[in-house]
Amino acid sequence: ETGVTQSPTHLIKTRGQQVTLRCSSQSGHNTVSWYQQALGQGPQFIFQYYREEENGRGNFPPRFSGLQFPNYSSELNVNALELDDSALYLCASSSSGGQGGKSAFGSGTRLTVV
Amino acid sequence: AQSVTQLGSHVSVSEGALVLLRCNYSSSVPPYLFWYVQYPNQGLQLLLKYTSAATLVKGINGFEAEFKKSETSFHLTKPSAHMSDAAEYFCAVSDGANYGGSQGNLIFGKGTKLSVKP
Repeated sequence: ETGVTQSPTHLIKTRGQQVTLRCSSQSGHNTVSWYQQALGQGPQFIFQYYREEENGRGNFPPRFSGLQFPNYSSELNVNALELDDSALYLCASSSSGGQGGKSAFGSGTRLTVV
Repeated sequence: AQSVTQLGSHVSVSEGALVLLRCNYSSSVPPYLFWYVQYPNQGLQLLLKYTSAATLVKGINGFEAEFKKSETSFHLTKPSAHMSDAAEYFCAVSDGANYGGSQGNLIFGKGTKLSVKP
């Protein structure tokens, strides 16, 4: 089975710019969650997409937005980048089936804002 | 609100020694608990998870964790450390929200970096 893939792996952007990060979910998974992991910290939940709709959101401003496509892949968009947005962005896909459902993380996109 | 506290940001053990990484959680509902490992410049790999079945959970690579409700703990152990165990370990709790039937969002601790000395 194909795992979770994220692109690009690394990205450098200038403050104020916009960025789009992409995630292909693992085969058989219909839910995608995005996390931000700042240096030296644990991942923080940004939001989750299920059936192409946002289905839960963490404490992130509206300039963080996303999409899920019919094939369950997903995008994370961040507008008006700030220096503090520099982090590893992780995508996790999972399947329906309650708390015992399977999930998997991608290797992440390392975003640097200068 | 749920939360996770990992005691000790860095733990160093000798190869062959016992590994013990501590995690305490706070939850108003029966929690689902997870341990993940992260190698440098990598994503997260699930080691094991507790989902209200057996309190002693066995995971990959010889790791196991015991859910102790009275202590609100879910410590990770491995009897004998190997050099390849050097990585960062994260404990996480699910907020229990039934987001479309999946595991909801995960609330992570700040991580414990494990070093293994030869």
